[in-house]
Amino acid sequence: SQQGEEDPQALSIQEGENATMNCSYKTSINNLQWYRQNSGRGLVHLILIRSNEREKHSGRLRVTLDTSKKSSSLLITASRAADTASYFCATDGGDSSYKLIFGSGTRLLVRP
Amino acid sequence: SQTIHQWPATLVQPVGSPLSLECTVEGTSNPNLYWYRQAAGRGLQLLFYSVGIGQISSEVPQNLSASRPQDRQFILSSKKLLLSDSGFYLCAWSAEGQGGETQYFGPGTRLLVL
Repeated sequence: SQQGEEDPQALSIQEGENATMNCSYKTSINNLQWYRQNSGRGLVHLILIRSNEREKHSGRLRVTLDTSKKSSSLLITASRAADTASYFCATDGGDSSYKLIFGSGTRLLVRP
Repeated sequence: SQTIHQWPATLVQPVGSPLSLECTVEGTSNPNLYWYRQAAGRGLQLLFYSVGIGQISSEVPQNLSASRPQDRQFILSSKKLLLSDSGFYLCAWSAEGQGGETQYFGPGTRLLVL
């Protein structure tokens, strides 16, 4: 079954605005990650947040994690046209397996 | 630094033909290796993963198989392609012993079965 579900499925904003994407998951986790995918390309790792962390920053990215609600959010501040991409959350399922479970992604369009 | 290669970048194959996609990793030893498939506009479906040479775990029973003949080489194969095998295939690696940690993806192979 799908572990991570991103919301919204698609988001269109003006350059300079902030973009917020949400991810919900179903099982316990050890960590949650966010990835970015430009059209027709491989995924690029953005940030990893562990289950005992509540917030993490990396440049213009801010990730929050609420384990009680089994949800996470990715905030991109001061968006740029180059941020146009699909964004995926991924969880490890909380077990000792070697797998990540990806959601279906949010497609972000930043209009110049 | 570590790099991951996939080839070919695109492939058009007739139904019933065989398939071999190759993935190699450089700059690391004994990585965990993964094959994913992505349908258009969708998320990633894990097909196979490997924690060592000759060790393959299959996630979804289907028309595909995987092999790891060398430490840093991962191959995705099919004896007879189906139309439903069309998609974007991604290879990824993660560091030894770090299963649920960061994965690093190759550029992908776009497969069209006609």
